[in-house]
Amino acid sequence: EVQLVESGGGLVQPGGSLRLSCAASGFTFGTYAMSWVRQTPGEGLEWVSAISASGFSTYYSDSVKGRFTISRDNSKNTLYLQMNSLRAEDTAVYYCAKVAGGTYSRLDYWGQGTLVTVSS
Amino acid sequence: QSVLTQPPSASGTPGQRVTISCSGSSSNIGSNTVNWYQQFPGTAPKLLIYINNQRPSGVPDRFSGSKSGTSASLAISGLQSEDEADYYCAAWDDSLNGPVFGGGTKLTVL
Repeated sequence: EVQLVESGGGLVQPGGSLRLSCAASGFTFGTYAMSWVRQTPGEGLEWVSAISASGFSTYYSDSVKGRFTISRDNSKNTLYLQMNSLRAEDTAVYYCAKVAGGTYSRLDYWGQGTLVTVSS
Repeated sequence: QSVLTQPPSASGTPGQRVTISCSGSSSNIGSNTVNWYQQFPGTAPKLLIYINNQRPSGVPDRFSGSKSGTSASLAISGLQSEDEADYYCAAWDDSLNGPVFGGGTKLTVL
């Protein structure tokens, strides 16, 4: 059974940093691209970042480019999102998701999400 | 403001057929496949339709997808109370070099 478990969310002050982790199991992690998607409470979904299976290629939305860094450790079956220079508008539930293949918009498994709150 | 445009709400009575539209442009829906997600309150989204009209294992055939030009649609036939959820469309955008989502449609079963 595929499982994705996010951790690392919490309350952080504006300008602060946070690192999210996503522990994967139930599939060959190193052969699939992965993605982070966020959702502001009560609002819609927003793609944040994606990384290829090898980790060689990374992609970011304009809203986080230069502030967030996606990475992965295939030996630990873990996906990361380093978030720096956090802003109030980054407050959201962050989901990690497995890319099914073919396109980064096809996400076939999602974690339960971890809440990030940016506030003073 | 989402790149893909969906109606904020839709509704129907049990047994009815409802459709949810998703409008995009040549850089996303017009040149890439569309995926649909279903999300219940407090839970993660679930892949409902992929590659325009394919259903993952376990998704009832009451759910169907279609695409024409720069628009796509999700149809739900034989509407059931348990279909009440939020529905999102998504596609890769060649200009933005990343996936884009619709704003979501809240489906209410009357």
